[in-house]
Amino acid sequence: AQSVTQLDSHVSVSEGTPVLLRCNYSSSYSPSLFWYVQHPNKGLQLLLKYTSAATLVKGINGFEAEFKKSETSFHLTKPSAHMSDAAEYFCVVSARTGGFKTIFGAGTRLFVKA
Amino acid sequence: DVKVTQSSRYLVKRTGEKVFLECVQDMDHENMFWYRQDPGLGLRLIYFSYDVKMKEKGDIPEGYSVSREKKERFSLILESASTNQTSMYLCASSFQVGNQETQYFGPGTRLLVL
Repeated sequence: AQSVTQLDSHVSVSEGTPVLLRCNYSSSYSPSLFWYVQHPNKGLQLLLKYTSAATLVKGINGFEAEFKKSETSFHLTKPSAHMSDAAEYFCVVSARTGGFKTIFGAGTRLFVKA
Repeated sequence: DVKVTQSSRYLVKRTGEKVFLECVQDMDHENMFWYRQDPGLGLRLIYFSYDVKMKEKGDIPEGYSVSREKKERFSLILESASTNQTSMYLCASSFQVGNQETQYFGPGTRLLVL
């Protein structure tokens, strides 16, 4: 079985300050983990993915995430928030269980204050 | 770059109408998906397809059907639209490398059923 929990439904930061969006997962298999971003009335854009090659994954727009197996976490961070980062972020877990099973988190809405 | 396009960004239809949502991908991906996204409910899988003329029910297939006559095109059909099908519809395609599947999304179609 798989599940993914995004620990915050909303996060608010000031421009120029660090961003932390938290994600915990569970999986009976070797999971792949992803972060997607969705701007208003747009589709989901892939930010980064964990492929089991390196635990620290760098993505687009300065975001990165660290896979911590012992904590079953895959938190998304960015050193300095920009106004354009305001969006909804989804943590996703996927594993091959026969066919692939993909589970989406409920999303975290990021607000960036000027 | 992977490109997934959806035929309409916004649609307004009347109850009882037959509605077609079209999705096209240009990366020769085997797998295609239809999701709906609703506030508080996240992304829910309606149908997916792993090959031409092949379809599998997702978590909420009731009231929907799909068609995949060509590899690049995956259509979602609402046989008789109802107001509870007002939603954001997202199409995705994916490729698999080993035990990892990565999904890429279209821009979404926001459907309003009156």
